[in-house]
Amino acid sequence: GENVEQHPSTLSVQEGDSAVIKCTYSDSASNYFPWYKQELGKGPQLIIDIRSNVGEKKDQRIAVTLNKTAKHFSLHITETQPEDSAVYFCAASGSGYSTLTFGKGTMLLVSP
Amino acid sequence: ETGVTQSPTHLIKTRGQQVTLRCSSQSGHNTVSWYQQALGQGPQFIFQYYREEENGRGNFPPRFSGLQFPNYSSELNVNALELDDSALYLCASSPPGQGVPYEQYFGPGTRLTVT
Repeated sequence: GENVEQHPSTLSVQEGDSAVIKCTYSDSASNYFPWYKQELGKGPQLIIDIRSNVGEKKDQRIAVTLNKTAKHFSLHITETQPEDSAVYFCAASGSGYSTLTFGKGTMLLVSP
Repeated sequence: ETGVTQSPTHLIKTRGQQVTLRCSSQSGHNTVSWYQQALGQGPQFIFQYYREEENGRGNFPPRFSGLQFPNYSSELNVNALELDDSALYLCASSPPGQGVPYEQYFGPGTRLTVT
């Protein structure tokens, strides 16, 4: 089955800096890669996703890049703000019934 | 538009008991998936329901079972609870007709504690 590795496990940045979180996946059939933000006591919130026919996607301060050859994808957050502090999860999906396989998460801390 | 809702918010059960968790999908969504999230881990897929039938299952034993109703709401049932079943149980719904795989939108979860 699919295996998703996520790095780093924790990331501390200063407000205004950029943050990058990287994930690798094992199943070359995977073709959908969402990113979720989970705040304390809440469910994961879909923040951006990318499909395998696209190499990069941007939404305001958030961007995701995908390298299918190397089987890795990354989340880029620019101009970080304290409210960006949360746990971020990457996931991959490609099975017929759309199951998501998640990474172990990255705790992002943005200091003012 | 109402998002995914889950009930109850928190639940404490004793080992060996049975529990039922409930999920209402987002308006217009016809597919529901259930995940288990242990503390400090990413969510793990339990199973998915589409048109009231199980449409895929992760590596969970048969004592984990579910239902989907005609209004697309869903239940997760766990029998013979074990201490390791303590976790946040998440429900996610997906819209129809968006291509495969579909986006999944999560509810706030039910925190289950087994003592």
